[in-house]
Amino acid sequence: KAGVTQTPRYLIKTRGQQVTLSCSPISGHRSVSWYQQTPGQGLQFLFEYFSETQRNKGNFPGRFSGRQFSNSRSEMNVSTLELGDSALYLCASSNRDGFYEQYFGPGTRLTVT
Amino acid sequence: AQSVTQLDSQVPVFEEAPVELRCNYSSSVSVYLFWYVQYPNQGLQLLLKYLSGSTLVKGINGFEAEFNKSQTSFHLRKPSVHISDTAEYFCAVSEPNSGYALNFGKGTSLLVTP
Repeated sequence: KAGVTQTPRYLIKTRGQQVTLSCSPISGHRSVSWYQQTPGQGLQFLFEYFSETQRNKGNFPGRFSGRQFSNSRSEMNVSTLELGDSALYLCASSNRDGFYEQYFGPGTRLTVT
Repeated sequence: AQSVTQLDSQVPVFEEAPVELRCNYSSSVSVYLFWYVQYPNQGLQLLLKYLSGSTLVKGINGFEAEFNKSQTSFHLRKPSVHISDTAEYFCAVSEPNSGYALNFGKGTSLLVTP
């Protein structure tokens, strides 16, 4: 099976712009979670989608949003980018409801200038 | 609320030596525990997990971890490391109260030298 794929792998944006990141989960996986990784804050949970519904959300401002499509692919959007949004954004997928182990993609490196 | 503490930010070790990476957590409920590894410019790879049952968990690449409920610890061990084990290692906890979202420690950088 192909693993979790994320596009693009690298992205450079200017402060104030918005950005959309994409994640394709492992085939058959219905849950997709997003995490932000920065040197200062480490790995932090953004949100999780299951069957097109946001099931769980971390402590991030409303500028961070996401969605999931019927084929389980997910996108996350960050509006009005700030310098502090520069990070590695990781997507993870899982194939079970309730408890599950998560499989991570390679991430999208976002740089905000 | 749960929290995860990785007690060492960096661990230098010589090739073929044993290594232990320490992880402690705090939670008032039953948790699930994980160790992930991250190589440079890559995502996270699951090394092993503890869900229930035997407290000694074996994972990939020769790693193992022991769940100690009384000490709320989940230390990762390998009896003999290789140069290729050089990477960042993350301990993570999830629990039903948080919707099973992974709560990660700050990471331990393992540097294996000849």
